[in-house]
Amino acid sequence: AQKITQTQPGMFVQEKEAVTLDCTYDTSDPSYGLFWYKQPSSGEMIFLIYQGSYDQQNATEGRYSLNFQKARKSANLVISASQLGDSAMYFCAMRGGGGKLIFGQGTELSVKP
Amino acid sequence: AAGVIQSPRHLIKEKRETATLKCYPIPRHDTVYWYQQGPGQDPQFLISFYEKMQSDKGSIPDRFSAQQFSDYHSELNMSSLELGDSALYFCASSLGASQFYEQYFGPGTRLTVT
Repeated sequence: AQKITQTQPGMFVQEKEAVTLDCTYDTSDPSYGLFWYKQPSSGEMIFLIYQGSYDQQNATEGRYSLNFQKARKSANLVISASQLGDSAMYFCAMRGGGGKLIFGQGTELSVKP
Repeated sequence: AAGVIQSPRHLIKEKRETATLKCYPIPRHDTVYWYQQGPGQDPQFLISFYEKMQSDKGSIPDRFSAQQFSDYHSELNMSSLELGDSALYFCASSLGASQFYEQYFGPGTRLTVT
């Protein structure tokens, strides 16, 4: 069975600093995709970044980067230069065969001015 | 760029009533997923469709049914609503069911059962 674990229920970061949100996963499938989504208080689910299991390089999208350590089964999200608008719930998710997403419990990030 | 469209955005129903949620995927996306997110919970997979055929089924109650139509839009039908069905319902679409494709979410339908 596939599983995603996010061990940080809540995180605080000072504006303009970098923050790392942890995510570990478990799967026996060699082919999978790892995703991060942002969910603001308004409720929508915003796709941030994706990493494929065969990708050699860590994914980056603007201020977001994914620290992918396959041997440790971790896919941490790094947000650089935090902004007040980054305050939201962040979900790590895995997509295996069949395509459905399995989500972690989420991490609530609060950015302090 | 076009996004996933869901309607209605908000819905209030009474217990034992029925509800129909609609989803219009991103153009050319042939795969649709439905998720349910309870208060303070992570989204849970309900059901998915690929090329108008049901492709996978999760923890969807028997009171719920869904289908994908010829224009690829999908509808989630919910009957005999219970208080516990109050949740945010997301539809997501992707180009195929591959684990290597991004899945984009609609804005969600917030269902409140009273």
